[in-house]
Amino acid sequence: DVKVTQSSRYLVKRTGEKVFLECVQDMDHENMFWYRQDPGLGLRLIYFSYDVKMKEKGDIPEGYSVSREKKERFSLILESASTNQTSMYLCASSLVSGGYEQYFGPGTRLTVT
Amino acid sequence: KNEVEQSPQNLTAQEGEFITINCSYSVGISALHWLQQHPGGGIVSLFMLSSGKKKHGRLIATINIQEKHSSLHITASHPRDSAVYICAVNKGGSEKLVFGKGTKLTVNP
Repeated sequence: DVKVTQSSRYLVKRTGEKVFLECVQDMDHENMFWYRQDPGLGLRLIYFSYDVKMKEKGDIPEGYSVSREKKERFSLILESASTNQTSMYLCASSLVSGGYEQYFGPGTRLTVT
Repeated sequence: KNEVEQSPQNLTAQEGEFITINCSYSVGISALHWLQQHPGGGIVSLFMLSSGKKKHGRLIATINIQEKHSSLHITASHPRDSAVYICAVNKGGSEKLVFGKGTKLTVNP
């Protein structure tokens, strides 16, 4: 079974802090994704990576950056956290030849105070 | 207008009822997905469809490409089916998903 893990289930940070969210997948998937999920807005794509060191902006990249130094690991970075970044963050991965199915991690609920 | 629309937004049913959740999309797609999210956050893929119908246990998913519409049916619903059900599509040949806002299903015993 594919496993996607995220570094924390719950995280509380202060405004202005630098925040790292880590995602690791164990199935050699080429594609990895970071989403945020907010009530009434659904899931929105922040960044997408299709290979090591390759990234593409999603729908809402402002205030975020990403890093993919190894195939299995995709990090989301909030350079200076703000209260409007309080949200549920979900990571997913997929295989290029896998017919588009994405496998999701358990999510990190981030609160910025 | 959102490219993927789901209805209803909220649905309450009694245990044993037949449930239908609808999804309409306005773009060309290469695949449509039905996802399930239980309280607590984790999302599980239920179905991926590009045509026809798929069945898994009590769950059935159908898609009509000409009408740009898909339905998720749950037969003999059970309280453990209570979750948010999300429809998502791959636009064209994109690896990225476009999501509906989800349908919150509550099944009462």
